Amino acid sequence: DSGVTQTPKHLITATGQRVTLRCSPRSGDLSVYWYQQSLDQGLQFLIQYYNGEERAKGNILERFSAQQFPDLHSELNLSSLELGDSALYFCASSAIEVGPGNTIYFGEGSWLTVV
Amino acid sequence: AQTVTQSQPEMSVQEAETVTLSCTYDTSENNYYLFWYKQPPSRQMILVIRQEAYKQQNATENRFSVNFQKAAKSFSLKISDSQLGDTAMYFCAFMKHDQGAQKLVFGQGTRLTINP
Repeated sequence: DSGVTQTPKHLITATGQRVTLRCSPRSGDLSVYWYQQSLDQGLQFLIQYYNGEERAKGNILERFSAQQFPDLHSELNLSSLELGDSALYFCASSAIEVGPGNTIYFGEGSWLTVV
Repeated sequence: AQTVTQSQPEMSVQEAETVTLSCTYDTSENNYYLFWYKQPPSRQMILVIRQEAYKQQNATENRFSVNFQKAAKSFSLKISDSQLGDTAMYFCAFMKHDQGAQKLVFGQGTRLTINP
């Protein structure tokens, strides 16, 4: 158990809908990351938040948005869903900065199926 | 932009054998981190081993060790005395040392099967 908690574990929804994925980081971790794993794109970095502020952005679609709340949990919002958005969405967390003694730990992922 | 290449899509070995997974990367950075993550059928991403670029000594974690060749930009993973539980996808990942903004760049993965 990495200590990173993601909900829901599985989600099936229709095209055009909106969903919210939730993540609770490991105790004490201030950084939260979102990654998307799909069959054709592999593992792609979406976005990083540090202590409530956006810190780095990857290939995140405009239909997707995220935020980190004061209690440090994070939500990834996916809207106007398309079939191609079906993927495993990982949340990960780390301490202030990756360095000797700390690293990035992943949650179990949220399986999203768009039908 | 950094890229990570894993040239072996699939590998298969017998239990107790030693296997080496290859990884190369491309970067102009001098300070960075390299990782191997394991993804078993459960799909969870599990950290196997990490290496800091400034360290010349290769990292070792029990049966797992790396061969880090900085000049060649190569970072291979050796699994000794392989076990059935080692069956998984293995991802090599790169992260530059950038205070605050830390993004893992992953290779496409190597599917490793350990046969009894």
